[in-house]
Formats: sequence, structure tokens, C-alpha cells
Amino acid sequence: GAGVSQSPSNKVTEKGKDVELRCDPISGHTALYWYRQSLGQGLEFLIYFQGNSAPDKSGLPSDRFSAERTGGSVSTLTIQRTQQEDSAVYLCASSLVSVTGDEQFFGPGTRLTVL
Amino acid sequence: QQQVKQSPQSLIVQKGGISIINCAYENTAFDYFPWYQQFPGKGPALLIAIRPDVSEKKEGRFTISFNKSAKQFSLHIMDSQPGDSATYFCAASQTTGANNLFFGTGTRLTVIP
Repeated sequence: GAGVSQSPSNKVTEKGKDVELRCDPISGHTALYWYRQSLGQGLEFLIYFQGNSAPDKSGLPSDRFSAERTGGSVSTLTIQRTQQEDSAVYLCASSLVSVTGDEQFFGPGTRLTVL
Repeated sequence: QQQVKQSPQSLIVQKGGISIINCAYENTAFDYFPWYQQFPGKGPALLIAIRPDVSEKKEGRFTISFNKSAKQFSLHIMDSQPGDSATYFCAASQTTGANNLFFGTGTRLTVIP
């Protein structure tokens, strides 16, 4: 079946602009995660959605970052007033459930470049 | 603060050799320890995972060794192949919470033919 998909695959923007990144999780997966991968820094947790529960936003680096998940499926990560330090690969992952350590399936990521 | 520390940053191994990557963690509440493999331009993919109730798990050429008292775990790749050349990430999570993964900084493995 289809895996996690993300769009766009690449995004180049100018400093100060807003960007929206999209994630389509695997159908039926209730948990959805956003991570950021910076060069040489590994993956950094950003935000987590589980079913209809309030999202865990503890990893968001600033109030310029926000995310939503509509209908328990598609998620959008929005970065307002982008800065050069926001340049990274943004990865989305989904899993069937979260509390049992079920495998997280990652999408290919969106490479964001802020000029 | 890096919750999971990984070494080495890069590793070069001859074909047929053993690749060893080490990780250490601080949070004793972590109870799930996966290893992910990532090829360029792709998202990470789960390779093998272990829980702290066992000290070793083997799947084919890949083995995780886990030392709970030392808060360390390692990945061993036996008979390393050029197709194993990728970046490997260790991770840890607390499954009673959000289960978000805390990742190491990655090891770039190159297997020379």
C-alpha cells in the first residue's frame, strides 16, 4: 500500500515568508509526528497528534511554528516569517498507535531552504 | 540537551567486516530503542528495535546489544555489504507517553567493496 507522502519535496522561500508543508499519513494510522532534520543534528521532534486528542506541541521551537491535522488524516505544518535557521528537512511519520511503541513510518521529507 | 548520544559520526568498513555503532541514553523511563536506516533523499526506515527486557536481539545480519545498567545499546552489522552504506540513527522513546522518538545524531556508514 501507499506509504507516508509529503509535499512539496523541495521548497525554497525568502526570509520572512510563510510556508506550508503537507503530510499524508498511511490510511488508518492514528498517530502522526513531525520531525525536523538539520545537517549533522539528527532528527528533532516537533509535534505529535494522536486521534482526536489535543496535540503535543512540546517540541515546537517557537510560536512561528504551528500544525494542524484535519479529519484525523492530513496534516499541515506552517512556519510563519521564516528565518534562515529554519532551513532543514521536515519529516512526517505516522504509526498505527503510539502507546505501544509501534513502528513509525516516515515520509521522504520536505527540504526547506530559506534564503 | 541531547538525550541520546551516538558514535561514531562516520564509519568505514571493508566488505565482509563488522560495523559497530554505539548509543547511550540518560532517561531511564525510555523503554523502546529502535534503529533506523536512512538512504540519501529518503526518510528513515525502521531496521530493528529492542525493549529493555532483553539484552540482545538479532535479525539476519543485524544485532542490537542492550546494557540496561550502563544505559547503552549498540548496533552490530555482520558481514557488512556495500548496500548497507547509509546513515544509521539510534533512537529511544517512552511508550507510556507520546512515544515521540529521541534520535542520536547519526552515523554515516560506508562499506568499501
